[in-house]
Amino acid sequence: EIVLTQSPATLSLSPGERATLSCRASQSFIRYLAWYQQKPGQAPRLLIYDTTIRATGIPARFSGSGSGTDFTLTISSLEPEDFAVYYCQQRNNWPLTFGGGTKVEIK
Amino acid sequence: QVQLVNSGGGVVQPGGSLRLSCAASGFTFSSYGMHWVRQAPGKGLEWVAYIRSDGSTKYYADSVRGRFIISRDNSKNTVFLQMNSLRVEDTAMYHCAKEISAYDWGYFDYWGQGSLVTVSS
Repeated sequence: EIVLTQSPATLSLSPGERATLSCRASQSFIRYLAWYQQKPGQAPRLLIYDTTIRATGIPARFSGSGSGTDFTLTISSLEPEDFAVYYCQQRNNWPLTFGGGTKVEIK
Repeated sequence: QVQLVNSGGGVVQPGGSLRLSCAASGFTFSSYGMHWVRQAPGKGLEWVAYIRSDGSTKYYADSVRGRFIISRDNSKNTVFLQMNSLRVEDTAMYHCAKEISAYDWGYFDYWGQGSLVTVSS
């Protein structure tokens, strides 16, 4: 099973700042990683898949990068609606696994 | 528009059973794989099970294999999760989720609102 470790657990930032979220995998793989956003009381929303591809309707301020064991989600300039929990997820191997999440909170 | 409507949650004693349903609309259900993903209270996401579009292939997380069964009825656009031998640690919100691609890429582009399952004596 591929274990995904996200860091930091919490990121305290102000609107307009840049957010950089990390996801480290226990095994190397090329690109089969996704990022989801979840707000309280809501189901997760797919942001990025295959490391770099934005899902339908996702703003350009969200971008993904990485390969091997290190992957990054970047939010170029935080909007008020971006404060939420973010999860990475791999589909390289079964079982599909998620990281533990990074909470982006308002500073 | 795509909609996934979860139903069937509730409170059950340890060792008991429960069946969750997820009714889909707004897309060609029979062309897409479906998943169940759960989230324990205050915790992260855990993938639970997958079923291929035609029902021919199923995968399970180790934590539920042998106890949970995923199935689907393409004539009714519904996916099910039969949960048996329930444990306290199965307490969670259970979401059905749609595959992003008809080729089963393993990503989830639409999610149901979830069914809360509480296992408690």
